[in-house]
Amino acid sequence: AQTVTQSQPEMSVQEAETVTLSCTYDTSESDYYLFWYKQPPSRQMILVIRQEAYKQQNATENRFSVNFQKAAKSFSLKISDSQLGDAAMYFCAYRSRGRGDKIIFGKGTRLHILP
Amino acid sequence: DVKVTQSSRYLVKRTGEKVFLECVQDMDHENMFWYRQDPGLGLRLIYFSYDVKMKEKGDIPEGYSVSREKKERFSLILESASTNQTSMYLCASSGSLPREYGYTFGSGTRLTVV
Repeated sequence: AQTVTQSQPEMSVQEAETVTLSCTYDTSESDYYLFWYKQPPSRQMILVIRQEAYKQQNATENRFSVNFQKAAKSFSLKISDSQLGDAAMYFCAYRSRGRGDKIIFGKGTRLHILP
Repeated sequence: DVKVTQSSRYLVKRTGEKVFLECVQDMDHENMFWYRQDPGLGLRLIYFSYDVKMKEKGDIPEGYSVSREKKERFSLILESASTNQTSMYLCASSGSLPREYGYTFGSGTRLTVV
């Protein structure tokens, strides 16, 4: 069975600085999807970025980028120029490629932004 | 944009009550999911459904059931609510195309059982 591990329960970063959230996963599959979700306090969970395993190029969405290391089964999220609105719980997640497959989530990393 | 709507943001119920949590999505997604979220435990899958009238157990189905009579609606039922079911409940949906694989979540229902 696939597992997703986020080893940092909490992190803090100074506003305008860069922070990297770590995620590792375990799978025997070769084709899958990886995601980072953001859940602000008392607000809806939203998809931040996604990566398809067969694509070597790391995904980027504005200030958010990933470092996808397939052989190491590592999928970290980098947030550049951190803003107060980035304060949230961040979840790393894994999905197999098959239709209808469920997503497996890590336990989350709470990110604090220090003004 | 896809919308997933959960009928209640906050609910307070008594022990032993039958509780219905409703979830509706408007993008014709085949797949719908119910998770509960607890501090330190992350998101745990309760039940999911790939099609109308079908359901599959997730990791923690005990004490819950589901109903999917229409494609857009997926209901979670607590047959006899207990205090250990106090939690945040999240509904999500996804489609069958690769670009739809990431979930769209509802706003969540914070359920307190007293």
